[in-house]
Amino acid sequence: SQTIHQWPATLVQPVGSPLSLECTVEGTSNPNLYWYRQAAGRGLQLLFYSVGIGQISSEVPQNLSASRPQDRQFILSSKKLLLSDSGFYLCAWNPRGKGADTQYFGPGTRLTVL
Amino acid sequence: SQKIEQNSEALNIQEGKTATLTCNYTNYSPAYLQWYRQDPGRGPVFLLLIRENEKEKRKERLKVTFDTTLKQSLFHITASQPADSATYLCALDQGYSSASKIIFGSGTRLSIRP
Repeated sequence: SQTIHQWPATLVQPVGSPLSLECTVEGTSNPNLYWYRQAAGRGLQLLFYSVGIGQISSEVPQNLSASRPQDRQFILSSKKLLLSDSGFYLCAWNPRGKGADTQYFGPGTRLTVL
Repeated sequence: SQKIEQNSEALNIQEGKTATLTCNYTNYSPAYLQWYRQDPGRGPVFLLLIRENEKEKRKERLKVTFDTTLKQSLFHITASQPADSATYLCALDQGYSSASKIIFGSGTRLSIRP
């Protein structure tokens, strides 16, 4: 069966510090991968998605970036965090191909920028 | 662009009653619509998917309807239990690219009181 991991689970960082969040998927190959952010009491905002190694599409211009160095690894980064970057970051995957619409979410990372 | 509206931020009902949550969209009719459950501090979990050519789908105590004329989906939980308390998210496909992108509503927080 497939599993998705995210770490760290929680993170407290000062403004201006760098960020690296990691997501890995097990038990599947060639997944679509996604990064979402959920602000307190708000819906999910799609940040990045990837259909393959090195292929990243950005949905929202911001100071975040994403990379996919391996098929089942997706990394969210920032060089300098802003207060507004605080939130709950979720990684998700779904199988590539027609009809593969459901998204499977990881446990999330709670980021607090002080 | 497509927008999703979920009827209310919070819904409180008595245990045993039927909970009905509403999801409205504003633009083109999606190929499918999904409902997810999200517990506090956790990632969303897929519940049901209904396609544009389906009017109703059931899974145990859950029922989803899809009315493309009204641009609305209703999500019902019958014989509700306190364990059903969670935030429920509606999601639609955006119908392009191979990445199967979907957009989420902001959710309805359901509380079932004993």
